[in-house]
Amino acid sequence: GAVVSQHPSWVICKSGTSVKIECRSLDFQATTMFWYRQFPKQSLMLMATSNEGSKATYEQGVEKDKFLINHASLTLSTLTVTSAHPEDSSFYICSAWGWAESTDTQYFGPGTRLTVL
Amino acid sequence: QKEVEQNSGPLSVPEGAIASLNCTYSDRGSQSFFWYRQYSGKSPELIMFIYSNGDKEDGRFTAQLNKASQYVSLLIRDSQPSDSATYLCAVNEGRRALTFGSGTRLQVQP
Repeated sequence: GAVVSQHPSWVICKSGTSVKIECRSLDFQATTMFWYRQFPKQSLMLMATSNEGSKATYEQGVEKDKFLINHASLTLSTLTVTSAHPEDSSFYICSAWGWAESTDTQYFGPGTRLTVL
Repeated sequence: QKEVEQNSGPLSVPEGAIASLNCTYSDRGSQSFFWYRQYSGKSPELIMFIYSNGDKEDGRFTAQLNKASQYVSLLIRDSQPSDSATYLCAVNEGRRALTFGSGTRLQVQP
């Protein structure tokens, strides 16, 4: 089936540093990937749509200069949180549409828990 | 703005009972409807999807869709303690990002 991986699974960093999160589609090509953020006891909120070979599309209220997205290949999208602050601490999850078992659906990565001290 | 509404719960059911989870959505253009299960600290995992009006069954799970009422539900038969989790309803149109509800927390009491 369609598998999406993320790395790292968790990261702790100091305020002001930058953190890069990788999202890979392991057995299928994804021209589009999505980045979500989930704060405790809240649902997933779409941050941006990552498009292979072009600029990402950001949702309203998401700073594109703070959350840099690069989708350089059909299997890899990266999210870089620049100058991270404690309020950026969250669970970041990527996803991609994949085809498996005659089903076209959205598969999620395992998530990356970011803690900014 | 697209909205997906769910009762936050918690919904508490005894082991072996039927759990009924409900969801309403605002966008009549929505074409695909999904139920995800999310354990604490984990990423959502797909339980079921449904595209057409009516019922769709998969093992202990049944999804029900009523587009006229803009209503989606998930029934879990013979609920097990391992079913205790947050259940997320999601909708979308085409191959776009999903719009999620806030989730319903289910507790299955042994």
